[in-house]
Amino acid sequence: GAGVSQSPSNKVTEKGKDVELRCDPISGHTALYWYRQSLGQGLEFLIYFQGNSAPDKSGLPSDRFSAERTGGSVSTLTIQRTQQEDSAVYLCASSLQGAGGELFFGEGSRLTVL
Amino acid sequence: KQEVTQIPAALSVPEGENLVLNCSFTDSAIYNLQWFRQDPGKGLTSLLLIQSSQREQTSGRLNASLDKSSGRSTLYIAASQPGDSATYLCAVKRVTGGGNKLTFGTGTQLKVEL
Repeated sequence: GAGVSQSPSNKVTEKGKDVELRCDPISGHTALYWYRQSLGQGLEFLIYFQGNSAPDKSGLPSDRFSAERTGGSVSTLTIQRTQQEDSAVYLCASSLQGAGGELFFGEGSRLTVL
Repeated sequence: KQEVTQIPAALSVPEGENLVLNCSFTDSAIYNLQWFRQDPGKGLTSLLLIQSSQREQTSGRLNASLDKSSGRSTLYIAASQPGDSATYLCAVKRVTGGGNKLTFGTGTQLKVEL
């Protein structure tokens, strides 16, 4: 596609429910990143994919968070048993190559946990 | 641990003024540095990418410089316009030990007034 596409753009859920956030990177981009931006906070790294593998999962805040990428393209970030502190904007980015490439971000998925 | 600081946190200038945004980082072993802008409720838009071997990059009215040894980068905006109003973020990618993730500063919120 022309840019990084994320869905849903907005998600409101109740505490304890599971949510899935989707990222469709720019076609041909092998590297994919998930970041989280909380109100008044900076961007927090969550996970990095190179192809279908995730060599760096160090930013996932708890075992309630998981992510997968299939076919070297679309990625899904899943949050189980959501908590109010999970409320944030979840941003996805992709780049043409892993190390030196320029990152391009999607518009984000705004998650609100009531 | 890499820490990225941006000063000032907020800046308000009259239209037409030239301005400089500052970014500093604690670990000079970086692969590259990238400047982004973020409009309210939107994702990040890449402005400039400077590889560690480069000293500066230019795009239109924007010029970014990099002094790796002192851990500093500046973003110079010439002849500012109201449309430049946004939050500007810098981010660095470490050479090793940080995977391939970018570490972000907390941003400078710029307002250009008519």
